[in-house]
Amino acid sequence: QLQLQESGPGLVKPSETLSLTCTVSGGSISSSSYYWGWIRQPPGKGLEWIGSIYYSGSTYYNPSLKSRVTISVDTSKNQFSLKLSSVTAADTAVYYCARLASIVGATYPDYWGQGTLVTVSS
Amino acid sequence: DIQLTQSPSFLSASVGDRVTITCRASQGISSYLAWYQQKPGKAPKLLIYAASTLQSGVPSRFSGSGSGTEFTLTISSLQPEDFATYYCQQLNSYPTFGQGTKLEIK
Repeated sequence: QLQLQESGPGLVKPSETLSLTCTVSGGSISSSSYYWGWIRQPPGKGLEWIGSIYYSGSTYYNPSLKSRVTISVDTSKNQFSLKLSSVTAADTAVYYCARLASIVGATYPDYWGQGTLVTVSS
Repeated sequence: DIQLTQSPSFLSASVGDRVTITCRASQGISSYLAWYQQKPGKAPKLLIYAASTLQSGVPSRFSGSGSGTEFTLTISSLQPEDFATYYCQQLNSYPTFGQGTKLEIK
């Protein structure tokens, strides 16, 4: 069964770079049928899509975060990663990684990691 | 940005009730809409994609309809495990989510 697991620091200082990795098990990140993405949720609030990547390395970012976001993929490790630079308290959130199933012109998150809380604080 | 507005934001209902949640888009999104269920402390779960297609393993009491700018999620007969927060998501342009509808037990 497919599993996704986020990992990375739970505390990041303001102005620094948040770095998270998602490890995929039970399936290949190189499958042509799927994209891989990051979504976040501030405590007590709604969901915000951050961006996605295909195994080939092509990316698609939320325009409001694009200047600060980098998503990369390591097919040899079956992992993909998120970097968010110049973080502020507004970036405090639970960060989810997800598999995005490509269906009729759109990609839907059909498998999610459990999420990891990242707090931005000095 | 395409804005999604869900109504109501809060809904109180009883086991066995039929409930409907509406999601309105600020511009037409064809059928590029999904619905998710989220329980406290858990990741969202995909229920419906392409506006009306039931995700594998999701009970048939859940259904979705609509196209263009107005969409609905219907639960035909509420079960205890259905009390949760529901989100719609559009995928016509870069994805955005509705603000959520919290479904509580009456």
